[in-house]
Amino acid sequence: GAGVSQSPSNKVTEKGKDVELRCDPISGHTALYWYRQSLGQGLEFLIYFQGNSAPDKSGLPSDRFSAERTGGSVSTLTIQRTQQEDSAVYLCASSLAGERHNEQFFGPGTRLTVL
Amino acid sequence: AQSVTQPDIHITVSEGASLELRCNYSYGATPYLFWYVQSPGQGLQLLLKYFSGDTLVQGIKGFEAEFKRSQSSFNLRKPSVHWSDAAEYFCAVAAGGGSYIPTFGRGTSLIVHP
Repeated sequence: GAGVSQSPSNKVTEKGKDVELRCDPISGHTALYWYRQSLGQGLEFLIYFQGNSAPDKSGLPSDRFSAERTGGSVSTLTIQRTQQEDSAVYLCASSLAGERHNEQFFGPGTRLTVL
Repeated sequence: AQSVTQPDIHITVSEGASLELRCNYSYGATPYLFWYVQSPGQGLQLLLKYFSGDTLVQGIKGFEAEFKRSQSSFNLRKPSVHWSDAAEYFCAVAAGGGSYIPTFGRGTSLIVHP
């Protein structure tokens, strides 16, 4: 079956522009996570969706970052007024449910470059 | 709060040699522990996980890891490394308290020499 997909795979934008990153989780997975991976760094948690519950936004670095998940499936991460420090790989992952023993399935990521 | 330390940023081994990647965690109770591998340009793939039972867990691609509560460690091992094992390896911990968000270590980059 299809895995987690993300689009675009690469995005180059100018400082100050807004960008939208898309994640299609595995069908039936109720939990969805966004992470940011900067060069030489580990994964930085951004936001977590579980079913119809209010998302956990505790990892969002600033109010320029937001995310939504429509219909419990596709998610979009939006970065407004991008800055050069936003350059990173943005990874999306999904899992069967919000249980701590569940395996996360990761997409290939979107590489964002802010000029 | 849970935390994960991977003390080695880079590890270099020769093909055929044994491998051990270190992972230490900080959490009061027994956590759920994971090892993921990330090949260049790819997302992360689960190698193995531990949450109860036998402290030596077997994973895919010939990897294993041992949970040692006394040392707060969950080191990843492989008896004989293949060139295709060159990748980034991440240890992760998921604790309790209603949090289902794993914390990842900074990763260890494995370089394999022929």
